[in-house]
Amino acid sequence: SYELTQPPSVSVSPGQTVSITCSGDDLGDKYSSWYQQRPGQSPVLVIYQDNKRPSGIPERFSGSNSGNTATLTISGTQAMDEAAYFCQAWDSSIVIFGGGTKLTVL
Amino acid sequence: QVQLQESGPGLVKPSETLSLTCTVSGGSISNYYWSWIRQPAGKGLEWIGHIYTSGNTTYNPSLKSRVTMSVDTSKKQFSLKLRSVTAADTAVYYCARDPTEGYNLHFFDYWGQGSLVTVSS
Repeated sequence: SYELTQPPSVSVSPGQTVSITCSGDDLGDKYSSWYQQRPGQSPVLVIYQDNKRPSGIPERFSGSNSGNTATLTISGTQAMDEAAYFCQAWDSSIVIFGGGTKLTVL
Repeated sequence: QVQLQESGPGLVKPSETLSLTCTVSGGSISNYYWSWIRQPAGKGLEWIGHIYTSGNTTYNPSLKSRVTMSVDTSKKQFSLKLRSVTAADTAVYYCARDPTEGYNLHFFDYWGQGSLVTVSS
């Protein structure tokens, strides 16, 4: 079965840029999405179709997808960005989620 | 603003059936895919399956033998039934809207607040 692999944790200093990766076989041939989940809250879509931002999502969130890796990049990271981030794709008629990455803003 | 609200028992006994309903407000239920997604405490997200407003369903193979989804467009509701539950089914269950036309693109733009279901005797 298809798997998406994310690093369990990433840390960043406020104001810096951080990238969170999501790896899967030929992931670049599929569409990737990203969700932010703060503790005790529902996931929020931050990137869809590889690099599109929903209305209301700050411009500091961007996405890319090529080869075997999709990447979520947060520029000028703020304390409020501290959360878990999940990537997601569609393969063989099912939705697949990555295991999630805990982003810590130090 | 579209809102989704899950409802159903918070406690289910082992071997029984988990039943949840999601009510859609602030927007149409028609011509969308509607999904159920669950998350055990401290763990990741697992897609259970989706239903289109026509009634067509797709289920995660890992749960397919135990899952049934249905939709009632007149009530703007869709539902999940998960049979023969065990403690491993204890999780927060989310309903979510998929605004895509299907094919090879699916994502979720609106989520419910989540419903904690505990399986215990």
